[in-house]
Amino acid sequence: ETGVTQTPRHLVMGMTNKKSLKCEQHLGHNAMYWYKQSAKKPLELMFVYNFKEQTENNSVPSRFSPECPNSSHLFLHLHTLQPEDSALYLCASSQDGVLAGVETQYFGPGTRLLVL
Amino acid sequence: DAKTTQPPSMDCAEGRAANLPCNHSTISGNEYVYWYRQIHSQGPQYIIHGLKNNETNEMASLIITEDRKSSTLILPHATLRDTAVYYCIVRVANSGAGSYQLTFGKGTKLSVIP
Repeated sequence: ETGVTQTPRHLVMGMTNKKSLKCEQHLGHNAMYWYKQSAKKPLELMFVYNFKEQTENNSVPSRFSPECPNSSHLFLHLHTLQPEDSALYLCASSQDGVLAGVETQYFGPGTRLLVL
Repeated sequence: DAKTTQPPSMDCAEGRAANLPCNHSTISGNEYVYWYRQIHSQGPQYIIHGLKNNETNEMASLIITEDRKSSTLILPHATLRDTAVYYCIVRVANSGAGSYQLTFGKGTKLSVIP
């Protein structure tokens, strides 16, 4: 257990559906991240939130919409996804995305998403 | 961040030491070396990090060459549960905007064999 939980662990959705992924961290961290891991590809950073403010968006399509209501929770809202969006979506947290210097990111177990 | 090069795969006998190499010949003086691993279908797990000196914790040891152009992660007594993809990452600490990203490459797939 890393202190970062993600729900659901598995999700199957159609291209017209709307769904949300949830991440919660119990570590008292201030920075949270969404990563995407497609089959046989390296992890790709999608979004970064630091103290609830979005500080990075790595050219992610607008069909992915993040939300960070507080430092402990992070959501990824999904709508009109494509089959190529099928992947493992990983959430991570760290103490502070800017000021902590050397810091460790702690990852959740991921949500395995399949878009049909 | 500096690019790293790792062998795509390695085997190690159970109970033996696993030595995983990483080349980072373009590393800058203020870049740290991090190691993470990812067991199949799980999220990556932090293992260890270092700047110049060798480091050891309960999971592994990190040996960094004097010129810092390469490093080796050592799992002293590999078990079947250590089978995973191991990622070597170099990253600047506390560099302000854009410093958040951990750039994962393809890593080394370590197979621990009974």
